[in-house]
Amino acid sequence: NAGVTQTPKFQVLKTGQSMTLQCAQDMNHNSMYWYRQDPGMGLRLIYYSASEGTTDKGEVPNGYNVSRLNKREFSLRLESAAPSQTSVYFCASSLPGLAGEHRTQYFGPGTRLLVL
Amino acid sequence: QKEVEQNSGPLSVPEGAIASLNCTYSDRGSQSFFWYRQYSGKSPELIMFIYSNGDKEDGRFTAQLNKASQYVSLLIRDSQPSDSATYLCAASGDQLIWGAGTKLIIKP
Repeated sequence: NAGVTQTPKFQVLKTGQSMTLQCAQDMNHNSMYWYRQDPGMGLRLIYYSASEGTTDKGEVPNGYNVSRLNKREFSLRLESAAPSQTSVYFCASSLPGLAGEHRTQYFGPGTRLLVL
Repeated sequence: QKEVEQNSGPLSVPEGAIASLNCTYSDRGSQSFFWYRQYSGKSPELIMFIYSNGDKEDGRFTAQLNKASQYVSLLIRDSQPSDSATYLCAASGDQLIWGAGTKLIIKP
């Protein structure tokens, strides 16, 4: 049981290049999330998927797209990378919440992205 | 805007003492609250969650919730150097609302 896995662990891009961050979970969770974490700013939600086949914008979606490929996999794409997208990206998953409650989110190891 | 606020620290505590971490939240509709620990360069990992007013204990950790004051705290008893990390508080809303974290340093 690997939990939540992310690839790659580290990536350097030049401005304007594109890339896809991959995330997979083997916990049979319905909900998956992409966050970015910058120093002193905590976790900011980019996109989430409440269930297979659905995706929704979070707090900071501009410059990103997502695909919920199946129940296990949720990818994040940067179409034209910018230096402002330099950050650590975390994928997380959880069971669905009840009446506004949210079950615990389990995080992947993160992808460290540097855009030059 | 819904917010969760934490003192960024660093909070320095002697080994063996009690570390007290605090968090306030703005959304009175938040039902559940989470404490995560994050070591430098690693991903957040859950310490505990709390739904009801009062205290919840798990080993050396105690979470306290006061919904009237919109206040959540985490106490770490018998602090160890391995407890040195950043502690993130989160409150439920449409999605989880995250604080920026408090850096805790346990001094041997």
